[in-house]
Amino acid sequence: GQNIDQPTEMTATEGAIVQINCTYQTSGFNGLFWYQQHAGEAPTFLSYNVLDGLEEKGRFSSFLSRSKGYSYLLLKELQMKDSASYLCAVMDSNYQLIWGAGTKLIIKP
Amino acid sequence: GAVVSQHPSRVICKSGTSVKIECRSLDFQATTMFWYRQFPKQSLMLMATSNEGSKATYEQGVEKDKFLINHASLTLSTLTVTSAHPEDSSFYICSAKSPGKDTEAFFGQGTRLTVV
Repeated sequence: GQNIDQPTEMTATEGAIVQINCTYQTSGFNGLFWYQQHAGEAPTFLSYNVLDGLEEKGRFSSFLSRSKGYSYLLLKELQMKDSASYLCAVMDSNYQLIWGAGTKLIIKP
Repeated sequence: GAVVSQHPSRVICKSGTSVKIECRSLDFQATTMFWYRQFPKQSLMLMATSNEGSKATYEQGVEKDKFLINHASLTLSTLTVTSAHPEDSSFYICSAKSPGKDTEAFFGQGTRLTVV
């Protein structure tokens, strides 16, 4: 079967750094996405990785290791507005998105 | 980035009635749109894939006669929840892929449906 695993909840301090991990087992791989979702809102796109390595975009970076079926989202200089759920999704061989359950990130002052 | 507009953002309806949700791609032509459902604190669940000019492809367990999907043009897909029941109350989200851009799926704002 297809499976995406990520922690249910994480807590971090404003100004700090947090890493949200995602492991996956899917039938085929056509890229891994990270989305941010605030409560009651639709997800917004953060990053896309299809090759191994680190992609940096401002305060957010995303890493992929295809051989390990592993990705992480790194958030630096955390701000209170970063409190949200972070969704990991993998595009499988049929170009369908398989979603993780999301990681609720709580930022404390 | 591309814009997908979903309407309405919130709707309350009585049990037994039908509700239509619209999803529009505003600045690109979306040959494929996706409809998701999300229960509180749970992941997005794909309901169906909507292809312009053809019948939607439904995921296993999704009743196609209850969740009617129409994708009549390259910029509009609609989801109609027929004979709604309280258990249909959920957050419904559409997304669209711009042709040639598999790197992003653009989401509508979502529709919070409450059936009373």
